[in-house]
Amino acid sequence: AQSVTQLDSQVPVFEEAPVELRCNYSSSVSVYLFWYVQYPNQGLQLLLKYLSGSTLVESINGFEAEFNKSQTSFHLRKPSVHISDTAEYFCAVSDIGTGGFKTIFGAGTRLFVKA
Amino acid sequence: DAGVIQSPRHEVTEMGQEVTLRCKPISGHNSLFWYRQTMMRGLELLIYFNNNVPIDDSGMPEDRFSAKMPNASFSTLKIQPSEPRDSAVYFCASRGRSGVPSGANVLTFGAGSRLTVL
Repeated sequence: AQSVTQLDSQVPVFEEAPVELRCNYSSSVSVYLFWYVQYPNQGLQLLLKYLSGSTLVESINGFEAEFNKSQTSFHLRKPSVHISDTAEYFCAVSDIGTGGFKTIFGAGTRLFVKA
Repeated sequence: DAGVIQSPRHEVTEMGQEVTLRCKPISGHNSLFWYRQTMMRGLELLIYFNNNVPIDDSGMPEDRFSAKMPNASFSTLKIQPSEPRDSAVYFCASRGRSGVPSGANVLTFGAGSRLTVL
């Protein structure tokens, strides 16, 4: 069975500073990896995904994540955050072997960007 | 496409009452998921349908919870009788067919139904 651990429940950071949100997973088979973002009173939205190929994936708003198979990690980074990045971020994993029917989410990391 | 549509957005009810939450997935998506989000337990997968058939309901907390998908465009999650500990935000999400690279395993979430049981 898969599991996802997000190591930080809250990350406060000043505007224009870099940020890293950490995610580790465990699975006995190959996986797809995702980061979703949830703004207040909204559903989750896909931020970026790793399916195969290049281990570094990027989103349209400057976030990137790197799949590290040896460390079973998929940390999310942004070199310079904005106030509008304040949200909750969820790391998720789907098991490829079973068609990925079950997507398991981490507990979430709340990012606070301060002026 | 209007995305995944959930109703009601907010529901306040009294303990013991029946609650029905509704979901319209994205047209063409063949998988539908119900999740529950609470501060204490995070996002929990309750049940998953593929081609309108329930595949895994191991996350349904107890017999008071039931879910149906009578056709490809509609699903319900019912709680009867409701209890205060059922208070949470319930999300519906849908997914396109596996194997399609652009949509592989990507879930599209609705805005959620916030349930408060007094």
